Amino acid sequence: SQKIEQNSEALNIQEGKTATLTCNYTNYSPAYLQWYRQDPGRGPVFLLLIRENEKEKRKERLKVTFDTTLKQSLFHITASQPADSATYLCALVRTGGYQKVTFGTGTKLQVIP
Amino acid sequence: DSGVTQTPKHLITATGQRVTLRCSPRSGDLSVYWYQQSLDQGLQFLIQYYNGEERAKGNILERFSAQQFPDLHSELNLSSLELGDSALYFCASSAGARPNQPQHFGDGTRLSIL
Repeated sequence: SQKIEQNSEALNIQEGKTATLTCNYTNYSPAYLQWYRQDPGRGPVFLLLIRENEKEKRKERLKVTFDTTLKQSLFHITASQPADSATYLCALVRTGGYQKVTFGTGTKLQVIP
Repeated sequence: DSGVTQTPKHLITATGQRVTLRCSPRSGDLSVYWYQQSLDQGLQFLIQYYNGEERAKGNILERFSAQQFPDLHSELNLSSLELGDSALYFCASSAGARPNQPQHFGDGTRLSIL
């Protein structure tokens, strides 16, 4: 089955710096990869989707890259703010005969003022 | 606000009991997904319904069942509850059937088994 690895330890960075979160996967390459943000006690909120034939996707201060050779996605938040503090989840979407979404366990980001 | 409503927010019950969790999807969304989130395992996909029909199945136990009604709301039934079933249960909805579409999550039902 698909295994997804995200930084298990919390990531602490200084306000204004760029945060980089990693999502590594094994086995099959997904057709799509999504990133979500989850705050304590709340449901995940969709941020970005990137397709397997796309190398990079941007939305405001967010950037996602997808390297199917390395089996890795990187999620960047530029000019980070304390309000960006949350847990970030990557989700791999497999299509075809059996469509399924597999979530990583998430990385907790703390932006220090 | 995601537009997805889950009830109840909290549920406390005992082992061996049966509970029903309810989800109202965002207006216009035809797909409903159910997930279980525990501290050590993250978000585990349970099952997806699309327009009333089961679309995909994940790691859902035989003690658990779900359905989606004609008005598109969905219920997740958990029976013969065990201590290990204590978790946050999330419902999500999306417009279409394909899982590549963004999912909109409710704020979950926290289930505690005593």
